[in-house]
Amino acid sequence: NAGVTQTPKFQVLKTGQSMTLQCAQDMNHEYMSWYRQDPGMGLRLIHYSVGAGITDQGEVPNGYNVSRSTTEDFPLRLLSAAPSQTSVYFCASRRVGGNTEAFFGQGTRLTVV
Amino acid sequence: AQSVSQHNHHVILSEAASLELGCNYSYGGTVNLFWYVQYPGQHLQLLLKYFSGDPLVKGIKGFEAEFIKSKFSFNLRKPSVQWSDTAEYFCAASPSGGSYIPTFGRGTSLIVHP
Repeated sequence: NAGVTQTPKFQVLKTGQSMTLQCAQDMNHEYMSWYRQDPGMGLRLIHYSVGAGITDQGEVPNGYNVSRSTTEDFPLRLLSAAPSQTSVYFCASRRVGGNTEAFFGQGTRLTVV
Repeated sequence: AQSVSQHNHHVILSEAASLELGCNYSYGGTVNLFWYVQYPGQHLQLLLKYFSGDPLVKGIKGFEAEFIKSKFSFNLRKPSVQWSDTAEYFCAASPSGGSYIPTFGRGTSLIVHP
């Protein structure tokens, strides 16, 4: 199993550009989420999904869109990149129901100039 | 709203020193508790977890954590740290079961000097 796969690993954008961060998992997990990690701020939840067709906002959703058309994929879209979105982005998934832990992708380091 | 507090933001130790990282959560119900570790340049990996049962949980690489319900705490310990333990450590909590979203603390940066 590959687990949670994120692409790309690194990305530099110019202010105003758009892009999509990809996240895929092969564990048939219902729950998927996106976090951003900033120094001294820990991990902050951007958006999450508890199944295909269902998404919801987390703590810091502004400037980001998500969709969940399949169980496996949960892309994160930056519509118009801003320097404040410079961060490391992590995708995580876990099984819904019961007591389970989250599995994380390798992260995407995004710089907006 | 649920929150997780990690008291130490930066910890610097020498090899063989003992480690204890504090973690408190705010939630009145039954919780699942986790410690994740992030080595430099890598993703988060699960160190240990508590769902129920014995409140003293043993994880990988000699780490352990104790769940003290009365104190809403889940402190991480290691009797003797190694240089390779240099990493960022995150405590997380979520209500038990269902589709609850884990809440993470802000992390503790641990540097171990050889």
